[in-house]
Amino acid sequence: AQRVTQPEKLLSVFKGAPVELKCNYSYSGSPELFWYVQYSRQRLQLLLRHISRESIKGFTADLNKGETSFHLKKPFAQEEDSAMYYCALGVRFGDGNNRKLIWGLGTSLAVNP
Amino acid sequence: EAGVAQSPRYKIIEKRQSVAFWCNPISGHATLYWYQQILGQGPKLLIQFQNNGVVDDSQLPKDRFSAERLKGVDSTLKIQPAKLEDSAVYLCASRIADTQYFGPGTRLTVL
Repeated sequence: AQRVTQPEKLLSVFKGAPVELKCNYSYSGSPELFWYVQYSRQRLQLLLRHISRESIKGFTADLNKGETSFHLKKPFAQEEDSAMYYCALGVRFGDGNNRKLIWGLGTSLAVNP
Repeated sequence: EAGVAQSPRYKIIEKRQSVAFWCNPISGHATLYWYQQILGQGPKLLIQFQNNGVVDDSQLPKDRFSAERLKGVDSTLKIQPAKLEDSAVYLCASRIADTQYFGPGTRLTVL
């Protein structure tokens, strides 16, 4: 089964504290993992993708195939990081040229001053 | 570049009425998605188009929902008749490479 699990609906931390948003997936194929973010009153947007191995706004995420995880981390949270974060699994179907995302339920991150 | 456009932004209807949503994707994006996002949940894919063809509508409640993308650009999603449980935000997204770009969504309230 194709599934994405984000175990925490809400995560509350203080400014400057480390933050880790958990994501686990279930997929028999080669996974493509993404983190999308939605700030208040803004559109859902891509934060980062595992294939890029990049750091965006101080966030990083490492794909761990052994643990089937793609946790999002930031060493020092900022108030502007408060948002809804979605982990998504990219799957291919049909002839392999079609792609869709399987979404987690999301984690609401609140960074308190 | 202009982003994905959706209209209307808000819609309130009574159950059993009909409603239609419109989406204009980013120019040149062949793949278009419609999602339903119920409060407290992640987006749920309703239908995916590649140009003007449907490639996945497995989760579309076809007895009441329909969608089209006749010229491979704009798309409309229709609900007829609406039920209370259709209250949600309807998101349109278009894709280039592996990135989906989302519109602002249409918030539907069914009374």
